Amino acid sequence: AIRMTQSPSSFSASTGDRVTITCRASQGISSYLAWYQQKPGKAPKLLIYAASTLQSGVPSRFSGSGSGTDFTLTISCLQSEDFATYYCQQYYSYPPTFGPGTKVDIK
Amino acid sequence: QVQLVQSGAEVKKPGASVKVSCKASGYTFTSYDINWVRQATGQGLEWMGWMNPNSGNTGYAQKFQGRVTMTRNTSISTAYMELSSLRSEDTAVYYCARGEPGGNWFDPWGQGTLVTVSS
Repeated sequence: AIRMTQSPSSFSASTGDRVTITCRASQGISSYLAWYQQKPGKAPKLLIYAASTLQSGVPSRFSGSGSGTDFTLTISCLQSEDFATYYCQQYYSYPPTFGPGTKVDIK
Repeated sequence: QVQLVQSGAEVKKPGASVKVSCKASGYTFTSYDINWVRQATGQGLEWMGWMNPNSGNTGYAQKFQGRVTMTRNTSISTAYMELSSLRSEDTAVYYCARGEPGGNWFDPWGQGTLVTVSS
């Protein structure tokens, strides 16, 4: 199975900050990568698929980039509702696998 | 709107089985795969398997082979996930999630079902 890693595992940020989360795959996955946001007690929510395509209804401050093994999720101007845990997921090959998550909390 | 609604929380004893349901609405049930993902408290997301509601074909993660069964009832647009031989490590929130054809990202997700395994 393809192993996904994320960095950092957690960090603190302030409203208005530009934040970047990195995801790395153990082998090349082309652009077969999705990003999810999860808030406590809630189900994950799809933000981005195909590495950089914004899901309908997701604010444009979210963006994704990368291909191959290295990917990033950027939030251009952090809002209060963005404090959450973010997961990447590869769907290049079975089984689909998730990164361990990056928790963004309030500084 | 597209929605997946899951059954309620369950408490089971070790060795028992649990069956979780996932009712779809707002789209053609047989046109999208249903995946199951679980999350232990404070932990990450673990994919368990998928089912094609049209054909009934399934695929399970190796870890759950022999213990998980995914089925459906197309007449009521509902998918089911049954996990047997439960142990304490199976205590988790179980999610169903719709898989996109041609690209297996997951959207939307059900609200989750907490399964607690305790003697």
